[in-house]
Amino acid sequence: ETGVTQSPTHLIKTRGQQVTLRCSSQSGHNTVSWYQQALGQGPQFIFQYYREEENGRGNFPPRFSGLQFPNYSSELNVNALELDDSALYLCASSLDSGPGNTIYFGEGSWLTVV
Amino acid sequence: AQKVTQAQTEISVVEKEDVTLDCVYETRDTTYYLFWYKQPPSGELVFLIRRNSFDEQNEISGRYSWNFQKSTSSFNFTITASQVVDSAVYFCALSLPYGSARQLTFGSGTQLTVLP
Repeated sequence: ETGVTQSPTHLIKTRGQQVTLRCSSQSGHNTVSWYQQALGQGPQFIFQYYREEENGRGNFPPRFSGLQFPNYSSELNVNALELDDSALYLCASSLDSGPGNTIYFGEGSWLTVV
Repeated sequence: AQKVTQAQTEISVVEKEDVTLDCVYETRDTTYYLFWYKQPPSGELVFLIRRNSFDEQNEISGRYSWNFQKSTSSFNFTITASQVVDSAVYFCALSLPYGSARQLTFGSGTQLTVLP
């Protein structure tokens, strides 16, 4: 186990709704990243939070937003859900935001948009 | 922009066979980091190895070994004497030391099935 925990594990939402996914990072890790993994594909980077500030963003629209809390846990919010948002959402933590750090992943949240 | 290619979509072997998973990467940077992750059906990505671009030594860890060749931009992964528990999707990934490229760029993965 990596010590990265995510909730909920599975959820179903309707197109147009909003969703919040939660992540607790590994103890001592101050950096959290979120990835989206569509079926049959590799994970795609959404954004990273370092000490409560967004510290990098991939090619995702603004309706994907996030937060990091003082205890370094994090939330991913997605507004105006679209069918293509159906995917596995992976949270990952690392010791800090420096290059080459090993990134540890949680088991993910499976989101289905209908 | 950086890119990772895993040309083998699916591989099926019989238990105890050796299997090599290929990974080819593209980047113009001289400093970069390479990773392998294993993803069982549960979904969690399990870290296997990290390599930086200045360390071309091959590595062996139990039944796992990695062959890093900068000349061919490859970072291949071999499982010796495969076991059913090795069945999973394996991802190769690359990161660079600046900006949003510090994040992992993944290949599309190789589904390995080990048959009893």
